[in-house]
Amino acid sequence: GAVVSQHPSRVICKSGTSVKIECRSLDFQATTMFWYRQFPKQSLMLMATSNEGSKATYEQGVEKDKFLINHASLTLSTLTVTSAHPEDSSFYICSAGSGSGTDTQYFGPGTRLTVL
Amino acid sequence: DAKTTQPPSMDCAEGRAANLPCNHSTISGNEYVYWYRQIHSQGPQYIIHGLKNNETNEMASLIITEDRKSSTLILPHATLRDTAVYYCIVRDYNDMRFGAGTRLTVKP
Repeated sequence: GAVVSQHPSRVICKSGTSVKIECRSLDFQATTMFWYRQFPKQSLMLMATSNEGSKATYEQGVEKDKFLINHASLTLSTLTVTSAHPEDSSFYICSAGSGSGTDTQYFGPGTRLTVL
Repeated sequence: DAKTTQPPSMDCAEGRAANLPCNHSTISGNEYVYWYRQIHSQGPQYIIHGLKNNETNEMASLIITEDRKSSTLILPHATLRDTAVYYCIVRDYNDMRFGAGTRLTVKP
């Protein structure tokens, strides 16, 4: 299957700082990417849908000014958590799909964010 | 909100078939049924998907009822490494939401 990477895999930051998470499709061009976050013992919660070259579409309740998503190329999308606070500590996961056919989405390994 | 309903947990004996059900009674004509699984602290792994026909690949089989209101994922010979949370998702192009999933425990 297709390979999606995320970087970093784990990050610890101080409250008030910003953190950027990268999501890359390694062997295909991704026209659509989804960003999720997952709290312990819970399911994945969709944060936003990102289409290459367009502004991301955010889910209700997700602050677009706090969670900045950029999908500037067909292989890279970034999620920046601005002015992070402890309640933003979570597991952030991206998925990417080629946009062709049934557009199967493949997931990255996730990024564990801890805000102190 | 997720468009699917799954039992919260199931057990299966190692070597036996695991049959995981999913209800999606509000599925529309252009929506596919996807199955993923997530092993602890990892990103979800794609298993299989289908529209209306039954599908089989090297990992599993997907049986979709004729009215498309439910489906079953079959792992033919479960192993301990198949212990995971299994998610059934009904999606169209720009919408992919996860429900609570089924926690499958394969026991020796």
